[in-house]
Amino acid sequence: AQSVTQLDSQVPVFEEAPVELRCNYSSSVSVYLFWYVQYPNQGLQLLLKYLSGSTLVKGINGFEAEFNKSQTSFHLRKPSVHISDTAEYFCAVWKDGAGGTSYGKLTFGQGTILTVHP
Amino acid sequence: KAGVTQTPRYLIKTRGQQVTLSCSPISGHRSVSWYQQTPGQGLQFLFEYFSETQRNKGNFPGRFSGRQFSNSRSEMNVSTLELGDSALYLCASSLGLAGEGGEQFFGPGTRLTVL
Repeated sequence: AQSVTQLDSQVPVFEEAPVELRCNYSSSVSVYLFWYVQYPNQGLQLLLKYLSGSTLVKGINGFEAEFNKSQTSFHLRKPSVHISDTAEYFCAVWKDGAGGTSYGKLTFGQGTILTVHP
Repeated sequence: KAGVTQTPRYLIKTRGQQVTLSCSPISGHRSVSWYQQTPGQGLQFLFEYFSETQRNKGNFPGRFSGRQFSNSRSEMNVSTLELGDSALYLCASSLGLAGEGGEQFFGPGTRLTVL
């Protein structure tokens, strides 16, 4: 079974500092990788996704992530954070099913709460 | 274009009751997925519907069920509610099957509290 591990449950950082949110996944086959953000009392919003191609993926709000197949990682980075980036961030992996009636599923990490202090 | 809408936004039920949650996907989207979010278990996949058929199911008991209508709107039902069913239930829609790598658009969720 595949799993997603977000290595930090909480990350405090000062405004305008860089940040990295770490995500590792376990899978021996090709996967699709996603980062979502959840603001208080809201649903999830897609930040970026990796399907194939370039391993450096750029998303919305200045975020980017790098897919590292050898280390099975997909860390999220932002060079300079703002107060408005305070939210919970989720890494997710989609793995195709074995075929037939199995269409695969999206598995989420436990989330990382990013708190940006002034 | 309207986003994914979920009704109701908040629900309070007592143990043993049943509940029905509704999700209206973005116009033109044919896939609807449901997730349960709790502080302890995080985000867990419940099931996915595409063209009125359940295409995939997570590891939840049979008390959790769903359906999709011809207009792609979806409902999920939880029978014989337990305290542990208290959670935020999120619905997500996408153009095709979620496994095709397409983006899933999430609704704001329904907060269910079981007393």
